[in-house]
Amino acid sequence: GAVVSQHPSWVICKSGTSVKIECRSLDFQATTMFWYRQFPKQSLMLMATSNEGSKATYEQGVEKDKFLINHASLTLSTLTVTSAHPEDSSFYICSARDIGLISSYNSPLHFGNGTRLTVT
Amino acid sequence: AQSVSQHNHHVILSEAASLELGCNYSYGGTVNLFWYVQYPGQHLQLLLKYFSGDPLVKGIKGFEAEFIKSKFSFNLRKPSVQWSDTAEYFCAVNAANSGYSTLTFGKGTMLLVSP
Repeated sequence: GAVVSQHPSWVICKSGTSVKIECRSLDFQATTMFWYRQFPKQSLMLMATSNEGSKATYEQGVEKDKFLINHASLTLSTLTVTSAHPEDSSFYICSARDIGLISSYNSPLHFGNGTRLTVT
Repeated sequence: AQSVSQHNHHVILSEAASLELGCNYSYGGTVNLFWYVQYPGQHLQLLLKYFSGDPLVKGIKGFEAEFIKSKFSFNLRKPSVQWSDTAEYFCAVNAANSGYSTLTFGKGTMLLVSP
């Protein structure tokens, strides 16, 4: 079945460096992908909606210059955490819906396995 | 590794019918449990969550879920559905008390409520 591949699954980086997270739809096309973040003991928070060929739509309170999103093709969206700090340590997850199916009712939403980011 | 199983991919109900969506998880330790909903054309929203305490959790819009530890289940219920409940529902689990643990989603259940 359709799979969303997220890479890396776990990354540790030093404060001040940038980290890129990739989200790929492996056997379907996705004009829209979603990026979420989860803080410890809290629920998932939508960060932004990634749109193929155009700028991402960010949720209120999410810094656009810090969390750079690029959706270069119908199968790839990237999230770059720039100048990472310890408070950016979190679990990031992407999701995508298959546009190839007849209607949104029939097309499932697929989630990546997530990326655990630790900034030291 | 943890996993989540949602029993039905599609559910069709008439308005005022009662709803129960099944969710079972597999994990050997203590878990946090979530139900999310995505309405057509909208983003994922949290319906309810369980971290600890009363295993019967009440969420928004009249939804509730019961954590039954012995059955590894966290079924979502609503006594009387409305047309506006048409959406996709996701159960999710992560390991409790472990910082940034992986959040694992079920495959989702698409609910269609006919007026």
